[in-house]
Amino acid sequence: EDQVTQSPEALRLQEGESSSLNCSYTVSGLRGLFWYRQDPGKGPEFLFTLYSAGEEKEKERLKATLTKKESFLHITAPKPEDSATYLCAVRPGAGKSTFGDGTTLTVKP
Amino acid sequence: ETGVTQSPTHLIKTRGQQVTLRCSSQSGHNTVSWYQQALGQGPQFIFQYYREEENGRGNFPPRFSGLQFPNYSSELNVNALELDDSALYLCASSSIEQEGYTFGSGTRLTVV
Repeated sequence: EDQVTQSPEALRLQEGESSSLNCSYTVSGLRGLFWYRQDPGKGPEFLFTLYSAGEEKEKERLKATLTKKESFLHITAPKPEDSATYLCAVRPGAGKSTFGDGTTLTVKP
Repeated sequence: ETGVTQSPTHLIKTRGQQVTLRCSSQSGHNTVSWYQQALGQGPQFIFQYYREEENGRGNFPPRFSGLQFPNYSSELNVNALELDDSALYLCASSSIEQEGYTFGSGTRLTVV
């Protein structure tokens, strides 16, 4: 069975304090690993897709990386507007994605 | 792009009742997936529809059923509601060209 574990569950940072979120996964053949951002009361918003180990994607202050067992979401010099829950998901093939429970990031000014 | 629209946004039902949730997928997307998200947890896969056929299902009982229409909009039906069905129900659309989901804002269902 596919599994996704995200850590830490919650992360509090000061504005400008860089850090990383972890997503560990086990999957029977990875078709893609996805990162989403979810604000309270809203649906997840797609950020990145990573397909193979060694791949990296960047968007503003966020950079996602992928190895054979885990993915990291690096946040450089975060701002309060980066506060949200970040979800990681894996898709083994056609069909469902399996999500982790997310990391809730709070960035204090 | 029109995005994914879900209705209603909030709903309160009594245990044992039936509910229908609706979703209009993003223009150009032919695949619709439904997820259940309990508070503080990640979304759990319910099922997926492609070209009006169910082509994947998660660990949910048969009282969870769905439909996809020719315009790719979709419905989620839940019969015999239980208290544990209280959750945020998310609709997500996708296409071959865009493998990441576009999610709607969800329907918050409360069963009392």
